Amino acid sequence: RKEVEQDPGPFNVPEGATVAFNCTYSNSASQSFFWYRQDCRKEPKLLMSVYSSGNEDGRFTAQLNRASQYISLLIRDSKLSDSATYLCVVSANDYKLSFGAGTTVTVRA
Amino acid sequence: DGGITQSPKYLFRKEGQNVTLSCEQNLNHDAMYWYRQDPGQGLRLIYYSQIVNDFQKGDIAEGYSVSREKKESFPLTVTSAQKNPTAFYLCASRVGQGAPETQYFGPGTRLLVL
Repeated sequence: RKEVEQDPGPFNVPEGATVAFNCTYSNSASQSFFWYRQDCRKEPKLLMSVYSSGNEDGRFTAQLNRASQYISLLIRDSKLSDSATYLCVVSANDYKLSFGAGTTVTVRA
Repeated sequence: DGGITQSPKYLFRKEGQNVTLSCEQNLNHDAMYWYRQDPGQGLRLIYYSQIVNDFQKGDIAEGYSVSREKKESFPLTVTSAQKNPTAFYLCASRVGQGAPETQYFGPGTRLLVL
């Protein structure tokens, strides 16, 4: 079983729509959680950390459910510039991050 | 500007050839990492270094080697023993042990086999 699993998508949504997707992780000892964004043929960049109580950053909302071992990301009022692959990232110790394969979101005009 | 640089952007390898990918950071980060990304897969850890003159194997270290002689530099050599080297290679750095686990990535090197 993969350490981090994501629905690859793609999620095709119109501008202004809300899109949400999850990822699941297998290691119950995981302590830190992140969403990274990766544009085509570019490096991943940190979008936001995910905190136990859930957190927002502008149009982006992240939630963590430790009991069910999943993390979610919701994007409100989608923009064309939100088109990217979103990587779910989990850390169980002080040195190693485990990456999901990514969920692709395409926002159309 | 502080950041991580990788060179070259594209690299071509012939059969039986060793090639070295460069990674330099001026963020004063202690920890550095090498990942490989293949289509449809998550990033996989090749090697990591938490401090100068020390490094550890990641999940897929076979066919690769590294050195960490300077804090700023963490070059990766893809040896001829790596039978499927075609991939996108990403270098990352992080402040260090005990600090937030957030890693920052360089722009990557695409390695292609001729």
